[in-house]
Amino acid sequence: EDQVTQSPEALRLQEGESSSLNCSYTVSGLRGLFWYRQDPGKGPEFLFTLYSAGEEKEKERLKATLTKKESFLHITAPKPEDSATYLCAPPGLKTDKLIFGTGTRLQVFP
Amino acid sequence: NAGVTQTPKFQVLKTGQSMTLQCAQDMNHNSMYWYRQDPGMGLRLIYYSASEGTTDKGEVPNGYNVSRLNKREFSLRLESAAPSQTSVYFCASSGGTVETYEQYFGPGTRLTVT
Repeated sequence: EDQVTQSPEALRLQEGESSSLNCSYTVSGLRGLFWYRQDPGKGPEFLFTLYSAGEEKEKERLKATLTKKESFLHITAPKPEDSATYLCAPPGLKTDKLIFGTGTRLQVFP
Repeated sequence: NAGVTQTPKFQVLKTGQSMTLQCAQDMNHNSMYWYRQDPGMGLRLIYYSASEGTTDKGEVPNGYNVSRLNKREFSLRLESAAPSQTSVYFCASSGGTVETYEQYFGPGTRLTVT
């Protein structure tokens, strides 16, 4: 069965304190992975698509990386506005349906 | 472009009442989805539609029906609401090809069933 696990469930950082979020999966024939950001009371907002192992994508203070079994979202010198829940989701085998993890809730304090 | 829009934003129903959640997208996407999100459970797929005129069950379809009215619109109907259907509902759309799998989400409908 395809499964996605995100860790940690929650992360508290001081402003400027860099860290990484993990997304591990047991999806057959991985065909990419998506990262989303979700603010309270809002819908998930698309951040990145990673298509193959070794690929990296960057956006402001965020950098996403992908291996065959996991993905990392690195946050460099975070700011309070980076506080949100971050979701990862690979597509299932032979389908465009995404399998979502339960997310990492990030809080950045000034 | 408005992206994905959903109505209503909030709704309170009594057990046994029915209602339809509306979703529309203006990105000319082929695929559309309905999810529910509950604390600690993540996003769970209720139904999806790969193209106009087709619909398929997702992970948690019981108690729901859908209609893909045209390429733009995908509605979710609760025929007889139950307290277990209290949740936040999100509609999403995607291009539906391997190059366009990323899904774009609407703002959500917060539904409470008493």
